[in-house]
Amino acid sequence: GAVVSQHPSWVICKSGTSVKIECRSLDFQATTMFWYRQFPKQSLMLMATSNEGSKATYEQGVEKDKFLINHASLTLSTLTVTSAHPEDSSFYICSALTRLAVTDTQYFGPGTRLTVL
Amino acid sequence: AQSVTQPDIHITVSEGASLELRCNYSYGATPYLFWYVQSPGQGLQLLLKYFSGDTLVQGIKGFEAEFKRSQSSFNLRKPSVHWSDAAEYFCAGNRDDKIIFGKGTRLHILP
Repeated sequence: GAVVSQHPSWVICKSGTSVKIECRSLDFQATTMFWYRQFPKQSLMLMATSNEGSKATYEQGVEKDKFLINHASLTLSTLTVTSAHPEDSSFYICSALTRLAVTDTQYFGPGTRLTVL
Repeated sequence: AQSVTQPDIHITVSEGASLELRCNYSYGATPYLFWYVQSPGQGLQLLLKYFSGDTLVQGIKGFEAEFKRSQSSFNLRKPSVHWSDAAEYFCAGNRDDKIIFGKGTRLHILP
């Protein structure tokens, strides 16, 4: 099946710094990628939808200036957490939408654990 | 509003016993429905999906799910669980490319 990677798999940073997380579709082109965050023992919450070559669409309550998303190519989307604070600590998961089949399917990356000290 | 509900936060079953995890959805029209499994420290793995057609869907690892429109349900089943099935299970619905996840059910397996 389709493979989505994320880098890094975990990151620890100091409060006030920025962190960039990459999401790559390894063997297919993804016109659309999604970013989720998951708090401990909770479900995944959609943060934003990223379309190649256009601005991301953010869900209600998600600060677009805080969580910068760039989808510069059909295989790469990046999420930058700017001026990170401890409350931004979470598990960030991306998914990529492939249209290889008649029915669209999202494939999920393994996630990135962010810890802000 | 669109939603996916998993009423059970935790489920405990003995190894070898049968399993059913419940999922209900609320959408204006029938969404695409999915079951995912997430093991500790792992990403989401798709177990199965329903788009249309046969209401009994077979998935990987011996799982199956049945779509029941009259009950707005999409319950996940397995006839005999293995210790390796212990994980978090998420039901999800998808309309217009946006996936909405249920809160998840943590499955515990007794030896």
